[in-house]
Amino acid sequence: DIQMTQSPSSLSAFVGDRVTITCRASQGINNYLAWYQQKPGKAPKSLIYAASSLQTGVPSRFSGSYSGTDFTLTINSLQPEDFGIYFCQQYKTYPVTFGPGTTLDIK
Amino acid sequence: QVTLKESGPTLVKPTQTLTLTCTVSGFSLGSSGVGVGWIRQSPGKALEWLALISSNDDKLYSPSLKSRLTISKDTSKGQVVLTLTDMGPVDTGTYYCVHSPSYYHSVTGYRPTYYFDFWGQGTLVTVSS
Repeated sequence: DIQMTQSPSSLSAFVGDRVTITCRASQGINNYLAWYQQKPGKAPKSLIYAASSLQTGVPSRFSGSYSGTDFTLTINSLQPEDFGIYFCQQYKTYPVTFGPGTTLDIK
Repeated sequence: QVTLKESGPTLVKPTQTLTLTCTVSGFSLGSSGVGVGWIRQSPGKALEWLALISSNDDKLYSPSLKSRLTISKDTSKGQVVLTLTDMGPVDTGTYYCVHSPSYYHSVTGYRPTYYFDFWGQGTLVTVSS
């Protein structure tokens, strides 16, 4: 199975900050990478697919990029509603696998 | 508007079989290449993909749980059913039904992408005697 790691495991930031979350795949997955946001007691919500394509309805302050096996989720101008846990997922290879998550708190 | 809703028992005893139903709306289970699957989340928050069934009835299972899982669908009812046998405490968690959009491959035709754009609200299943 492809292992997905995320860093940091948690972070706190101020409203208006630029936040970066990194996800690394244990082997090449091209751009078959999705990002999800989960709020307490809720199901994950799709943010980005194909490493950099924004899901319909997701604010443009969210963006994704990648280089090799390193993937980045960037939130520009952090908003209060952006708190939650962020997960990455690879869907290049069976079985699909998820990262352990990054918890984002708003200071 | 795509929606998925899970239903099933909230409490099962060890060794019992769990049966969960996902009722979908806003799309057809027969739509080319669309997939509906199940993902669970342990209380410690990790997400684990379990299974997926495609519009042409192809089925894929998590290798680690394959011997215990069965997924099926009733297109006319708009329902996908997951069974997990021999439940144990480690199977406690929230089970989500998910929609996977399709893509077109020049050789294989329409297939699920295996990322998940819509999720059900989830159903918490506890395994306890």
